Formats: sequence, C-alpha cells, structure tokens
Amino acid sequence: EAEVAQSPRYKITEKSQAVAFWCDPISGHATLYWYRQILGQGPELLVQFQDESVVDDSQLPKDRFSAERLKGVDSTLKIQPAELGDSAMYLCASRDLGIQYFGAGTRLSVL
Amino acid sequence: KQEVTQIPAALSVPEGENLVLNCSFTDSAIYNLQWFRQDPGKGLTSLLLIQSSQREQTSGRLNASLDKSSGRSTLYIAASQPGDSATYLCAVREAGGFKTIFGAGTRLFVKA
Repeated sequence: EAEVAQSPRYKITEKSQAVAFWCDPISGHATLYWYRQILGQGPELLVQFQDESVVDDSQLPKDRFSAERLKGVDSTLKIQPAELGDSAMYLCASRDLGIQYFGAGTRLSVL
Repeated sequence: KQEVTQIPAALSVPEGENLVLNCSFTDSAIYNLQWFRQDPGKGLTSLLLIQSSQREQTSGRLNASLDKSSGRSTLYIAASQPGDSATYLCAVREAGGFKTIFGAGTRLFVKA
C-alpha cells in the first residue's frame, strides 16, 4: 500500500541551528501539506502546495521557515534558525479525492 | 474564524462498550469533515470522510454523522476493543478557502 514517506523520524538540534525535513507524497497526489503538531494539540497547517505552487502559507513563520516543492513531487521544510518553541511533531500529508493521507512525522527536539 | 472543539478530551471505557466521540465546529460553511486516528508518536490514519452534503458514513464498527447546520459531528464506535485505544481527531475542511482545521482530539483508552 502506498504511503507518505518522511525523514528523518527524529531530529535533535540546538537552538540557532538549521534543520530540514523531507517528504515524499503518494505518487500522483497533487496536493501536499506540512503541519506542525504540539503535544496534546491537533495539527496546525503550515503550508499547502498544489503541484509546485504554494496555495496557503498564511500560518508559516516566514522569517525562519521555508518550504519548497520544486518539481511538484517531494517537498522540503526548513527551519533556520531553530528556536526552543519549534519543538514539535512535523507532519506531511498528501490528498486524493478529499482524503488526506499522513506520513509518520518527524519529531523535532530543540535544546 | 473556524474553531473545532472535541469533547471529552479523554475517555476511559471497559472493553465491549459502545461509545460516542463529539466534534463541534463554529462555521457551518464546510466542504467536508474527516475523522482520524493517531497512535502515540505516529502520524494520522484516516477513518471516515463525510462530504458536506452527506449525513453519515460507516466503516465496520465505526459510524460518523454530520449535522452541518448545528455544527456537530459524532463518531460512534461499537463494541470497543483494547486495540481501539488511540487519540481520535476530527478535521473540518472549510468551503471557499479549503483550509483544514483540526480539533485537539479525544484520547481514548479501552480497558481489557
């Protein structure tokens, strides 16, 4: 069964360092999402892509976060510099026929 | 601004019990509503998707209903099992902007 792939699964970094997360959606899914989930809360949308174009990045802290999906397939989310408050689970999802399919996520710890 | 609330925040039930999880949303202009399951430290698994024109969807022991006018959805789990223990989240996809807003989830524990 096709899955959304994310790497790494875990990342520990020190504040002010740069981190990057990678996502490969299910083949053929044009819509891709990046979410941030703080423990005990629901996921919060950071950015939504339709193919290679950003559809919604209104919640993305653009002073430190960037996201790209250059060829409309896989995507990278970057944080530079990381802050203590960025510690969270970062989830990637792709959508087909209205259903969102999630990857296993990257758990980021900023020390 | 759309807000999604899930009550209760946590629930513990004995095995075999039928249970209902609640989700409410403040703006009825939605495109669809989706229920997810999340195991600790894992991603989300889609359970049921209800389009705005539908009233309910069923899959196995799960049944989800939608009352758009009152801003409510319920997830009914029949004959609960210990393997159902997880966090259940509902997510509303807004009409127009198509943004997806999640509730904080209900953490379910089914005791053997």
